[in-house]
Amino acid sequence: EDQVTQSPEALRLQEGESSSLNCSYTVSGLRGLFWYRQDPGKGPEFLFTLYSAGEEKEKERLKATLTKKESFLHITAPKPEDSATYLCAVQPYRYYFGNEKLTFGTGTRLTIIP
Amino acid sequence: DTGVSQNPRHKITKRGQNVTFRCDPISEHNRLYWYRQTLGQGPEFLTYFQNEAQLEKSRLLSDRFSAERPKGSFSTLEIQRTEQGDSAMYLCASSFLHRDGYTFGSGTRLTVV
Repeated sequence: EDQVTQSPEALRLQEGESSSLNCSYTVSGLRGLFWYRQDPGKGPEFLFTLYSAGEEKEKERLKATLTKKESFLHITAPKPEDSATYLCAVQPYRYYFGNEKLTFGTGTRLTIIP
Repeated sequence: DTGVSQNPRHKITKRGQNVTFRCDPISEHNRLYWYRQTLGQGPEFLTYFQNEAQLEKSRLLSDRFSAERPKGSFSTLEIQRTEQGDSAMYLCASSFLHRDGYTFGSGTRLTVV
């Protein structure tokens, strides 16, 4: 069974205070690891896909990294508009046609205080 | 239209009634997914279509749930004989290739009273 654990559950930061969110995963074979942002009452918004250990991707103040067991989402000098829930998901590699399922973690609720 | 559209946005129904939700994916996307999300949890996979073929269904999708995607365009998710435990946000997403990352709609929030 694929599993994703995100920590911390909630994080409050002052504006400009950098930090990292953690996503630990267990999957028999990783096809891709996804990061999403979700605002209250809305659907998740795609941020990044990572495919192999050592890979890094950046977008504005966000940088995602991947190892064989976990992924980190680094937030540099965050602003209040970065406040949201950040979700991590894994897509396993299966040797049969049609597997497209993502298994999500429960998310980290990030609050940036002005 | 540049996004995934879901209707209705909110639905309140009495226990035992049937409900149907609609999802219009991004037009060039051939993959369509349904997920369910409850408060404080991440989305849970329900089912997946490639074009009009339903290729994968979760064990979460009981016999009361059915999904269709006629002609590979829009999709409907029907829940028969709703129960209070069905109360959740139902999310639809679409993609062209799995590597693209899904584009999610804003969801339909179902409340069963």
